[in-house]
Amino acid sequence: EAGVTQSPTHLIKTRGQQATLRCSPISGHTSVYWYQQALGLGLQFLLWYDEGEERNRGNFPPRFSGRQFPNYSSELNVNALELEDSALYLCASSSGQFTYGYTFGSGTRLTVV
Amino acid sequence: AQSVTQPDIHITVSEGASLELRCNYSYGATPYLFWYVQSPGQGLQLLLKYFSGDTLVQGIKGFEAEFKRSQSSFNLRKPSVHWSDAAEYFCAVGGVLTGGGNKLTFGTGTQLKVEL
Repeated sequence: EAGVTQSPTHLIKTRGQQATLRCSPISGHTSVYWYQQALGLGLQFLLWYDEGEERNRGNFPPRFSGRQFPNYSSELNVNALELEDSALYLCASSSGQFTYGYTFGSGTRLTVV
Repeated sequence: AQSVTQPDIHITVSEGASLELRCNYSYGATPYLFWYVQSPGQGLQLLLKYFSGDTLVQGIKGFEAEFKRSQSSFNLRKPSVHWSDAAEYFCAVGGVLTGGGNKLTFGTGTQLKVEL
């Protein structure tokens, strides 16, 4: 069984540009979660998508957005990039049976210069 | 609001020695608790989880953790550390989001170094 896959592995953008990060969940998982892991700030919950809808978001500005496609894959968009957006962005999927925990992808390392 | 504290930022142990990583949580109800490990440049791998039942849970790679409600703790242990265990370890508590989703609140992590 394939795990959660994220692309690209690394992304370098200039301040003010837009970044698009992609995530494919484990087959059968309908929920996708995005987390930001910034240096010194730990892992912060960003967004939750389920059945194609944004269901909840963490304490992040609206320039962090995304969507979930009919095949349950997901895209995270970060507009008007700022230097402090540099971080590892982790995607996780779950089947809704929370007691089993999330399965995380390997992440996308976004660097804003 | 739920929170997780990992009081040790860095821990160094010798290979073959025992290990205990501390985790304290704050949560209003019976918590779902998790330990994850992250190797450099990698995502997070689930080591073990607790949600009910036996308070001593076994995980992968020879790790175990004990849930102590009276101390609000969920410490991770391993009897004999291997050099390959060097990584960052995260404790997390699970909560329910509005709408039924599940959010993990993570501690700030403990970086484990293993001396040969």
